[in-house]
Amino acid sequence: DIQMTQSPSSLSASVGDRVTITCRASQSISSYLNWYQQKPGKAPKLLIYAASSLQSGVPSRFSGSGSGTDFTLTISSLQPEDFATYYCQQSYSTPGFTFGPGTKVDIK
Amino acid sequence: EVQLVESGGGLVQPGGSLRLSCAASGFTFSSYWMSWVRQAPGKGLEWVANIKQDGSEKYYVDSVKGRFTISRDNAKNSLYLQMNSLRAEDTAVYYCARSGYYLTYYYMDVWGKGTTVTVSS
Repeated sequence: DIQMTQSPSSLSASVGDRVTITCRASQSISSYLNWYQQKPGKAPKLLIYAASSLQSGVPSRFSGSGSGTDFTLTISSLQPEDFATYYCQQSYSTPGFTFGPGTKVDIK
Repeated sequence: EVQLVESGGGLVQPGGSLRLSCAASGFTFSSYWMSWVRQAPGKGLEWVANIKQDGSEKYYVDSVKGRFTISRDNAKNSLYLQMNSLRAEDTAVYYCARSGYYLTYYYMDVWGKGTTVTVSS
């Protein structure tokens, strides 16, 4: 089974900061990597699919990069509405979609 | 509007059963793989099960194999999760999600608001 890890597990940042979250797969998953945002009490929201493709309606300050085993989600200028938990997910070894453990972004 | 609405959650005793439903609207339900994803209190997301468009293929996370059954009724635009032999560790919010795709890339692009399952005596 493919295992997903994320770092850091949490971070504190200020509005306007550039934020980078890393996701690592236990084996190569090519570009089969998705990113989700989840706010407390809400369902997850798809941000990025296929490692770097921005989902329709998602602000362009979100971007994704990477391939193989190492991936990055970047928020270029953190906004108040971006404080949330972010999850990566592999879709290489379908049909099981393994999620990473999550990275919580809160206010410094 | 594309929408998924879950129902059927509640409080159940260990060893009991529950059937979750997910009503889809605003898209051609029969064209998509569908999934159930859960989130235990204070924990991360866990994929539980998914089902092919015509119901011919079904897959489960190891922890629910033999206890949970996913099914769908394309005529009713509905997805189901039959949960038997429930355990305390099954306590979670259960989300219904659509598996969108681009070429060979799959992702969960539409989510319901979730339904809460609590397993406790």
